[in-house]
Amino acid sequence: EIVMTQSPATLSVSPGERATLSCRASQSVSSNLAWYQQKPGQAPRLLIYGAFTRASGIPARFSGSGSGTEFTLTISSLQSEDFAVYYCQHFTNWPLTFGGGTKVEIK
Amino acid sequence: EVQLVESGGALVQPGGSLRLSCAASGFTFSSYDMSWVRQAPGKGLEWVSAISHNGGTTYADSVQGRFTISRDNSKNTLYLQMSSLRAEDTAIYYCAKVPGGHWYFDLWGRGTLVTVSS
Repeated sequence: EIVMTQSPATLSVSPGERATLSCRASQSVSSNLAWYQQKPGQAPRLLIYGAFTRASGIPARFSGSGSGTEFTLTISSLQSEDFAVYYCQHFTNWPLTFGGGTKVEIK
Repeated sequence: EVQLVESGGALVQPGGSLRLSCAASGFTFSSYDMSWVRQAPGKGLEWVSAISHNGGTTYADSVQGRFTISRDNSKNTLYLQMSSLRAEDTAIYYCAKVPGGHWYFDLWGRGTLVTVSS
């Protein structure tokens, strides 16, 4: 099983600042990596797939990078609606696994 | 409108059974692979099971032999039959659509809560 590790667990950021979230895989997942956003009481929403491709309707301030075992989600200028929990997920093989999440909170 | 709507969640005793349903609308259900993902209270996401558009299935080790995923393409509905339920199965269960070719999820339902407790 591929273990996905996200850091930090919590990120305190002021509105308008940049946020950088990390996701590490225990073995290479190539570019088979997705990012999701989840707000309290809501289902997850797909942000990024294939490590760097934005999903439909996702603002350009969200960007993904990386390949192999190291990945980054960057939010260039945090808006109020971006404060949420973010998860990465690999889809290289079975079982699919998610990272433990990074909570982005208001500083 | 493209959506997934789960139902069937309930309070059930340990060792009991439950069947979850997920009604799909707004897209050609039969063409897409589907999956169940769960989230224990206050915890992260855990993949549970997947079914291809033509019926091939796979399961997480934690539910293998206890849960069965199935689909009825004539009813645009995904199912999860759960048996021998344990306290650790307590979670919100989401159904999720796979966009095609790769197993990430581009559409999620709002979830249904399963609570396993005596």
